[in-house]
Amino acid sequence: EVQLVESGGGWAEPGGSLTISCAASGLIFSNAWMGWVRQAPGKGLEWVGRIKSTNHGGTSDYADPVRGRFSISRDDSKNLMYLQMNSLKPEDTAVYYCSTDWSYPRVGASWGQGTLVTVSS
Amino acid sequence: DIQMTQSPSTLSASVGDRVTITCRASQSFNNWLAWYQQKPGKAPKLLIHKASGLENGVPPRFSGSGSETEFTLTISSLQPDDSGTYYCQQYDGNSRTFGQGTKVEVK
Repeated sequence: EVQLVESGGGWAEPGGSLTISCAASGLIFSNAWMGWVRQAPGKGLEWVGRIKSTNHGGTSDYADPVRGRFSISRDDSKNLMYLQMNSLKPEDTAVYYCSTDWSYPRVGASWGQGTLVTVSS
Repeated sequence: DIQMTQSPSTLSASVGDRVTITCRASQSFNNWLAWYQQKPGKAPKLLIHKASGLENGVPPRFSGSGSETEFTLTISSLQPDDSGTYYCQQYDGNSRTFGQGTKVEVK
């Protein structure tokens, strides 16, 4: 069974930085495309970005609201994915979910429980 | 990027009713469309992949259909456990986009 566990959420000031992590087990992580989805309080789901598996180039793509400020990376030796968030804005306040991405013919088959990031002065 | 418009935003129906949720795309794409169910305080659960593929373990009362720019999720006989919020998501190419969600209340 795939398990995804996010960590590192918390509070940050506007303009600040925060890095959250996703620990994966139950899958061959190096072959997995992984992604981040967020949900602001009381709002819907918003795709943040995803990273391809290393053997597919390990490149990342991002949603417009976070492109240039957020960066996704992975450490296949530790089965970890990261989301580095810079220049944070109050509107980045959300629960951030880690999920599996593309695994033909589906995305989003497995999800973590989410970690809350609050951006406030 | 492909924008997804979901309707209705809320619906209330009785046990046994047939329920349909629609998702319209701003441009045509190749049926890479997923449907999720989310319960309050929980992560989303994948129900349907590639527009009509039922995920293992999902009850057969759930079905997906559609193509190009219009997709539907149908619950053939609504059950009390089906309450929650449902989202469509396109996953064509290098971006993904969610619909705004449909909150389903079971009377």
